[in-house]
Amino acid sequence: TAGITQAPTSQILAAGRSMTLRCTQDMRHNAMYWYRQDLGLGLRLIHYSNTAGTTGKGEVPDGYSVSRANTDDFPLTLASAVPSQTSVYFCASRVEGMGTEAFFGQGTRLTVV
Amino acid sequence: GENVEQHPSTLSVQEGDSAVIKCTYSDSASNYFPWYKQELGKRPQLIIDIRSNVGEKKDQRIAVTLNKTAKHFSLHITETQPEDSAVYFCAASRAGDDKIIFGKGTRLHILP
Repeated sequence: TAGITQAPTSQILAAGRSMTLRCTQDMRHNAMYWYRQDLGLGLRLIHYSNTAGTTGKGEVPDGYSVSRANTDDFPLTLASAVPSQTSVYFCASRVEGMGTEAFFGQGTRLTVV
Repeated sequence: GENVEQHPSTLSVQEGDSAVIKCTYSDSASNYFPWYKQELGKRPQLIIDIRSNVGEKKDQRIAVTLNKTAKHFSLHITETQPEDSAVYFCAASRAGDDKIIFGKGTRLHILP
């Protein structure tokens, strides 16, 4: 079972360029999330989606956009990357509703130079 | 919105001793509190969780306690082993709002 996968694994991106981080899950989970992980700051929620067709802002949404055209995919787009967006990005998913485990992708290490 | 505070940021304990990590949350409507373990270079994985209708939950060497009145919950690891060395995250969420908010993490070192 694939579970939840992210692509690419790592990327070096020039400042000002755009990029889309991909996330796909095959568990039919309704809820999906994007987090960024920075040393000393933990996992900060960027955007989330409760179900296909809906998205919401998390703690640090500025500079990022998401879409949820179907249940399986939840891409994260950086329209014009800046060095402060250098981070490890994790996608996660879970069954919508109270109290269920979230499963994380393997992460994408993004460096903006 | 929800805010989760986690302490300490770093914890070193002798192998075989116990480790305790504490978290507080701000949203009294939060009702689900998971704990995740992240080993170096890997993804976070759930190790234990607790719901607001329960005060304590135990799974072998790991236990979590919840005090709803004080809005804090704690992770207890007994008889620590080298493989317990990792970063641990607490989190909070509530029904009707699928956001999961994490604390900043605790790096646990098990000393030989």
